[in-house]
Amino acid sequence: GEDVEQSLFLSVREGDSSVINCTYTDSSSTYLYWYKQEPGAGLQLLTYIFSNMDMKQDQRLTVLLNKKDKHLSLRIADTQTGDSAIYFCAEMGGGADGLTFGKGTHLIIQP
Amino acid sequence: DTGVSQDPRHKITKRGQNVTFRCDPISEHNRLYWYRQTLGQGPEFLTYFQNEAQLEKSRLLSDRFSAERPKGSFSTLEIQRTEQGDSAMYLCAKGGPTGELFFGEGSRLTVL
Repeated sequence: GEDVEQSLFLSVREGDSSVINCTYTDSSSTYLYWYKQEPGAGLQLLTYIFSNMDMKQDQRLTVLLNKKDKHLSLRIADTQTGDSAIYFCAEMGGGADGLTFGKGTHLIIQP
Repeated sequence: DTGVSQDPRHKITKRGQNVTFRCDPISEHNRLYWYRQTLGQGPEFLTYFQNEAQLEKSRLLSDRFSAERPKGSFSTLEIQRTEQGDSAMYLCAKGGPTGELFFGEGSRLTVL
């Protein structure tokens, strides 16, 4: 079955880089996604990567994909207080049921 | 703005009552999804529509739950005889060209 694992919390200092990690089990995943959720809000798509890529950069965001190890990471450069949120990793498997999400990583920013 | 509007944003109801949530994708979109999110969890798939056809339903969707998309545009999710365990955020999303989902702000249900 499909399963996506993330650590629950990450604490970083403002201005440092944040690296949020995710592992997934479905080797047929064609796309992998990162979403951000602020308190009381819906999920905002941050970025995604196609499974035949190993890196994607978008401004302060860098996504790394190790398909062999089924490991995905999201690096946020120069972390700001506005980056404080829950970050979800998600995979698109082969079925019709959309995306499978991890439980989310709470990113905590220390001043 | 993801172009997905959900209503109501919050609903408080007593156990045993029926509730209905509505989702309006601002533009016509083939694929529409309902997810449920409980505290400390990621969104969990409930059901999926391709136009007006409901093509997939999760085992989470008990017989008290029913979803419709009568004209292939807006969708409703009804929960009958609500239970406290139904308390959650109900998220609607439209499907994008590369499989991504664009979520609405969600409808939070509290069952007392």
